[in-house]
Amino acid sequence: DVKVTQSSRYLVKRTGEKVFLECVQDMDHENMFWYRQDPGLGLRLIYFSYDVKMKEKGDIPEGYSVSREKKERFSLILESASTNQTSMYLCASSLEGTGHVEQFFGPGTRLTVL
Amino acid sequence: TQLLEQSPQFLSIQEGENLTVYCNSSSVFSSLQWYRQEPGEGPVLLVTVVTGGEVKKLKRLTFQFGDARKDSSLHITAAQTGDTGLYLCAGANNDYKLSFGAGTTVTVRA
Repeated sequence: DVKVTQSSRYLVKRTGEKVFLECVQDMDHENMFWYRQDPGLGLRLIYFSYDVKMKEKGDIPEGYSVSREKKERFSLILESASTNQTSMYLCASSLEGTGHVEQFFGPGTRLTVL
Repeated sequence: TQLLEQSPQFLSIQEGENLTVYCNSSSVFSSLQWYRQEPGEGPVLLVTVVTGGEVKKLKRLTFQFGDARKDSSLHITAAQTGDTGLYLCAGANNDYKLSFGAGTTVTVRA
């Protein structure tokens, strides 16, 4: 079974703090994704990576950066957290290929920025 | 602006009833996926449809992809409390990205 794990289920941070969200997958998948999920808006893609050290902006990259130093690990960084970044963050991975390929999701990190 | 519009946003039915969730777009997609997300968990893939007009059945769930590959529907027959969850459709073309709808929250009451 594919397993995608995220470092925290719940996180509370203060405005201006630097925040790291970690994601690890154990199935040797090439692609990894970071989404945020907000009520009424569905999942919106922040960044994705199709290989180690490779990254591409998604639909809402502003205020975020990512790092992929190892194939199994994809980190999302909020350089200076703001209240409008309060959200559910979901990490996903998939085999090499296009969007037609199934994405496997982690359980999510609910981030609250005060 | 959501590329994929899902309706209804919320659906509450009694166990044993049938329900249909719709996913519509003005864009054509090469394939469309349906995911279900339970509280506290990430979405899990139910099905991928790739051919216009395609119908796929998964036990009590029937998925249809429109002829023009712009819309899809999910029909559940004789719903059970275990069908409760957020149902998400997602369209794909020939890049890495999936475009998700906002989701339909289905509640099946015992």
